[in-house]
Amino acid sequence: SQKIEQNSEALNIQEGKTATLTCNYTNYSPAYLQWYRQDPGRGPVFLLLIRENEKEKRKERLKVTFDTTLKQSLFHITASQPADSATYLCALLNAGNMLTFGGGTRLMVKP
Amino acid sequence: GAVVSQHPSRVICKSGTSVKIECRSLDFQATTMFWYRQFPKQSLMLMATSNEGSKATYEQGVEKDKFLINHASLTLSTLTVTSAHPEDSSFYICSARGTRASGAETQYFGPGTRLLVL
Repeated sequence: SQKIEQNSEALNIQEGKTATLTCNYTNYSPAYLQWYRQDPGRGPVFLLLIRENEKEKRKERLKVTFDTTLKQSLFHITASQPADSATYLCALLNAGNMLTFGGGTRLMVKP
Repeated sequence: GAVVSQHPSRVICKSGTSVKIECRSLDFQATTMFWYRQFPKQSLMLMATSNEGSKATYEQGVEKDKFLINHASLTLSTLTVTSAHPEDSSFYICSARGTRASGAETQYFGPGTRLLVL
């Protein structure tokens, strides 16, 4: 069966450090992979999209890698800030153009 | 960026009543709208996909007679939870995919509607 797995345990890091979140998937052949941020009681907010033929993408302090051989994406936040504390969701857009979400990882950045 | 609004943001109702949630795309035309449900500490689960002017496609396990979806225009979709029961209490989020030049592969999400059925 198709699965999108993110670490369900919260990630606690110190302000200024780099946060790295992992998204693994099985039985998918995604055309795209996306990362979203979700704050409590709010809808997800789109952050980055990476295509299957791209290995890395950056946006300000964010970096996403996409390894279709390992079936894994890594999401990095450099120089993390307390305001980065949120739940981060990865989502796959497959060839059928349907978006499916992982369970999300909660990030806590401590000052 | 694109803006998707939902109304109401929060609703409390008695068991057995029906609740309507509106989803609007404010600055683009949404050819496809999606409705998700999210339980506490869980991920978003797709309930149904609707295309403007046609019947919604429901995911397995979602009762179409209980969750009525109408996508009457390119900027408005509604979800009606009929005869709501406490187990329908959840966070409902709509999402819209449009025809903007920014890319159809990106979905824009609404802020969500918190439903509590007593």
